[in-house]
Amino acid sequence: QQQVKQSPQSLIVQKGGISIINCAYENTAFDYFPWYQQFPGKGPALLIAIRPDVSEKKEGRFTISFNKSAKQFSLHIMDSQPGDSATYFCAASRGYDMRFGAGTRLTVKP
Amino acid sequence: DTGVSQDPRHKITKRGQNVTFRCDPISEHNRLYWYRQTLGQGPEFLTYFQNEAQLEKSRLLSDRFSAERPKGSFSTLEIQRTEQGDSAMYLCASSPLTGNTEAFFGQGTRLTVV
Repeated sequence: QQQVKQSPQSLIVQKGGISIINCAYENTAFDYFPWYQQFPGKGPALLIAIRPDVSEKKEGRFTISFNKSAKQFSLHIMDSQPGDSATYFCAASRGYDMRFGAGTRLTVKP
Repeated sequence: DTGVSQDPRHKITKRGQNVTFRCDPISEHNRLYWYRQTLGQGPEFLTYFQNEAQLEKSRLLSDRFSAERPKGSFSTLEIQRTEQGDSAMYLCASSPLTGNTEAFFGQGTRLTVV
């Protein structure tokens, strides 16, 4: 069963634009919500993460918005750059149990 | 390099053969995970170790798959009698034991079964 649903599947953004990726989860027991960035041939790398006691977390150009009541969270990439072109995965976890979304392939056009 | 290391990076095998992959986690990390990733999908949980103990194994995992983590250090994942459907990227990750913290992934082993 898919416990974390991610959209869109792919996203094309112009350089300097805002990229927005959305995720929804089902299990209210999840208490840690990371976003991973993956380049071809590489393993996923943590980008930014949030816990449900805050509604927003910002690190540089990356922001997570979290809506606990709706069980949704999103990643915003401001001033998107061609180097941001990668696949992004949201995840939800509790302890060692981490479930991933299906991923969003982001392409930032120069 | 003190990150998670996986070996080999690529493996091509004939159907029916056995394969074994190795993962060396970050040295102070008690938790070790194996995931499988197919094209266009997110990582799918396979199994979890806390130190040397295998505490969780996915119900989706065939009995052809076995994993070990002797002495709580490196881990191996073995697939017996490989099938074409086993072709995937096998990812290892590790994290500290305390709380929900970042899982660090290795670069994966790409398995192709022909």
